[in-house]
Amino acid sequence: SYDLTQPPSVSVSPGQTATITCSGDALPKQYVYWYRHKPGQAPVMVIFKDSERPSGIPERFSGSHSGTTVTLTISGVQAEDEADYYCQTAGSSGSSRVFGGGTKLTVL
Amino acid sequence: EVQLVESGGELVQPGGSLRLSCAASTFNVRDYWMHWVRQAPGKGLVWVSRINGDGSRTTYADPVKGRFTTSRDNTENTVHLQMNSLTVEDTGVYYCARERVLPTVYGMDVWGRGTTVIVSS
Repeated sequence: SYDLTQPPSVSVSPGQTATITCSGDALPKQYVYWYRHKPGQAPVMVIFKDSERPSGIPERFSGSHSGTTVTLTISGVQAEDEADYYCQTAGSSGSSRVFGGGTKLTVL
Repeated sequence: EVQLVESGGELVQPGGSLRLSCAASTFNVRDYWMHWVRQAPGKGLVWVSRINGDGSRTTYADPVKGRFTTSRDNTENTVHLQMNSLTVEDTGVYYCARERVLPTVYGMDVWGRGTTVIVSS
């Protein structure tokens, strides 16, 4: 299956570390990409190819991949990080794409 | 500024058709795969379709196969999504996004702000 499973919500206090997981049976053979999406705005890619950070994305965003689980880590969370986060990978056809269900990050 | 701007979303009756457009600025769409992604109210992002650089290959999510068609006009630097036989389940915000796939897949690094489609009687 190419389904991706994320926790619906994660809550952290400012300055703490937020960890968002994404699991799927196909992930050992796939790269994963992470997107941040705030209401009314365009989604923004924060991690590509499991752990690489696009230019302009703060160093506090990092990614890791182990077997069927990938993890987005946000260190020193700030209020502006509050958003929905989605993992994404290639689908069964290779040219299709699949998103996880999304995780709402709340900064307390 | 690298930018994508979607247009064409509106209120349409079930069974109707709609054509969305996605205009690119300051980059050539022919150098990228272009995707459509939608978000139903209160739900997450769902991939809809993609088209390759020269428009020769398209791929669709199962719920829209046979009803939606994506195309591109590289001279106009625009991508389109023709949506037919619309149902209420097609309601949502539709985003276009670019993805560089050579020499490796870099992910969807530029997105538009979306256009809203409402299917309702």
